[in-house]
Amino acid sequence: NAGVMQNPRHLVRRRGQEARLRCSPVKGHSHVYWYRQLPEEGLKFMVYLQKENIIDESGMPKERFSAEFPKEGPSILRIQQVVRGDSAAYFCASSPQTSGQLYTEAFFGQGTRLTVV
Amino acid sequence: GNSVTQMEGPVTLSEEAFLTINCTYTATGYPSLFWYVQYPGEGLQLLLKATKADDKGSNKGFEATYRKETTSFHLEKGSVQVSDSAVYFCALWPGTYKYIFGTGTRLKVLA
Repeated sequence: NAGVMQNPRHLVRRRGQEARLRCSPVKGHSHVYWYRQLPEEGLKFMVYLQKENIIDESGMPKERFSAEFPKEGPSILRIQQVVRGDSAAYFCASSPQTSGQLYTEAFFGQGTRLTVV
Repeated sequence: GNSVTQMEGPVTLSEEAFLTINCTYTATGYPSLFWYVQYPGEGLQLLLKATKADDKGSNKGFEATYRKETTSFHLEKGSVQVSDSAVYFCALWPGTYKYIFGTGTRLKVLA
């Protein structure tokens, strides 16, 4: 009965490197969301994905950030050429597809803390 | 639009003191309301929730009542412990796919 699993829990990258954050949703959930928590701030929506589709990426920076949720495997949030300002906690959430409601309550993972040095 | 406003911290209390962390919201429609807790170095944990007006969510001695007339969802606990030291987030789910989070309130409980 695993919840949303994120790995790694902590990630350190040097400026200019790439960061890959993985999220395995709750089994059977087909909707994935990524949020970012900058230091001393609340969580901010980044992107909403369904299997193989990006539905809303309005909260994601236009450059260097990308997200995917392939047919098989976890969702990946990828940050290229990281800068110090990317240091934050990145949270993933998932929710199921339902036939009744359009959306249902989401379950959040433990987050990945990215530190850029 | 939808928004959440939390009281600013940090809040520092002595053990066994009464806790209130204020949260007010603006929303179109009838959102669900949540309190999440984040312990030092940890991820986000759901503490309690309420899905409709006058509902009371409760867990681990914490309570919050969904008040539509005052658009509030204040978090309370009668007697805090050192282990309650954490950051508390109020959040709103308007029934779409975006949660709206407050900025968080840091609680420090002194022995």
